[in-house]
Amino acid sequence: KAGVTQTPRYLIKTRGQQVTLSCSPISGHRSVSWYQQTPGQGLQFLFEYFSETQRNKGNFPGRFSGRQFSNSRSEMNVSTLELGDSALYLCASSPDSIYGYTFGSGTRLTVV
Amino acid sequence: KQEVTQIPAALSVPEGENLVLNCSFTDSAIYNLQWFRQDPGKGLTSLLLIQSSQREQTSGRLNASLDKSSGRSTLYIAASQPGDSATYLCAVKSGGGATNKLIFGTGTLLAVQP
Repeated sequence: KAGVTQTPRYLIKTRGQQVTLSCSPISGHRSVSWYQQTPGQGLQFLFEYFSETQRNKGNFPGRFSGRQFSNSRSEMNVSTLELGDSALYLCASSPDSIYGYTFGSGTRLTVV
Repeated sequence: KQEVTQIPAALSVPEGENLVLNCSFTDSAIYNLQWFRQDPGKGLTSLLLIQSSQREQTSGRLNASLDKSSGRSTLYIAASQPGDSATYLCAVKSGGGATNKLIFGTGTLLAVQP
């Protein structure tokens, strides 16, 4: 059974650019969540999508956005990158509320 | 606002020792609690999931307990091995629907010395 797949694994971008990260959930999982992990702030919730609808959003600026497709694959986009956006971005999938989450290996974003 | 704390922040033990990691949360109205391990630079690996109605879960050498009323969970690792060295994170899910998200603790960095 395939796990949660995140691409790319590593990215280096310049300040002011935009970036798109991709997440393919476990087959049959309709909930996809995104988290940002930094040494200073730990793991913080970005947003959750369920059946193509954003169901919940964390406390991040509007530069962070996402979407989910009909096959449950999800993308997150960060526009006008700042140095502070350098982080490990993790995607998690779940069948729904009562179940636990399975995380991907993450995308390491470095903004220079 | 839910806050999750993990104690200790770091722990070093000799191989073979039994150990306990602690997780506390401020709002007892949780949906479930999940323990993860994270190896350096990697994603999270789920270890155990405890629903709010459960008191404990076991998987191999791992046992996790949950006491909602006191806002505490413990992860017990028996007969620790060097391969257990990692950061251990607990996360609580409060509610469902619009509040469907995990709140993470800051983690316990475990080093098991051979």
